[in-house]
Amino acid sequence: EPEVTQTPSHQVTQMGQEVILRCVPISNHLYFYWYRQILGQKVEFLVSFYNNEISEKSEIFDDQFSVERPDGSNFTLKIRSTKLEDSAMYFCASRLRADHGYTFGSGTRLTVV
Amino acid sequence: AQSVTQLDSQVPVFEEAPVELRCNYSSSVSVYLFWYVQYPNQGLQLLLKYLSGSTLVKGINGFEAEFNKSQTSFHLRKPSVHISDTAEYFCAVGEYGNKLVFGAGTILRVKS
Repeated sequence: EPEVTQTPSHQVTQMGQEVILRCVPISNHLYFYWYRQILGQKVEFLVSFYNNEISEKSEIFDDQFSVERPDGSNFTLKIRSTKLEDSAMYFCASRLRADHGYTFGSGTRLTVV
Repeated sequence: AQSVTQLDSQVPVFEEAPVELRCNYSSSVSVYLFWYVQYPNQGLQLLLKYLSGSTLVKGINGFEAEFNKSQTSFHLRKPSVHISDTAEYFCAVGEYGNKLVFGAGTILRVKS
């Protein structure tokens, strides 16, 4: 069964550093998402991406965050200057059509120290 | 805007007993409904989904859920649980073309 692949599985970074989280969605999917889950809390929506542009973003997704689909296969989330409170599990998801189910990756655990 | 309420934060149950994890949602339009399971330190695994059609949906690992439009509920059930079902379960709702909104999660603890 096709999978959404996320790398790395764990990343530790120093506060103020830039990080890029990478995702390879399922190849024929058209809609792409990033979610995050702070330890012990619910899964929160960050951003959705369709037709090479952001279609929706949450209040969390401020100017420190950006997304790109640079080469038609990867989908990246960049955090420009990490803060301690950015420590969380970040999930990428994709789906084929707007009326289809979502497939999630296994997540990247980001720890900011 | 849609929202999801999972009524129980934790549900303890003995092995081989039945279980129901409750989920209610609110939305102004037709929705898609999902249950995901998360084992410790792992990602989100889809258990089952309701997109359209039959309101009784069967998923993996013997779980099923029933979509009740009048009560805006999508409760998850399993007739006989195993120790290995111990995990956190998330209900989520999505509207056509839109993001998923997750509930706060229910921790299912299966005791021997």
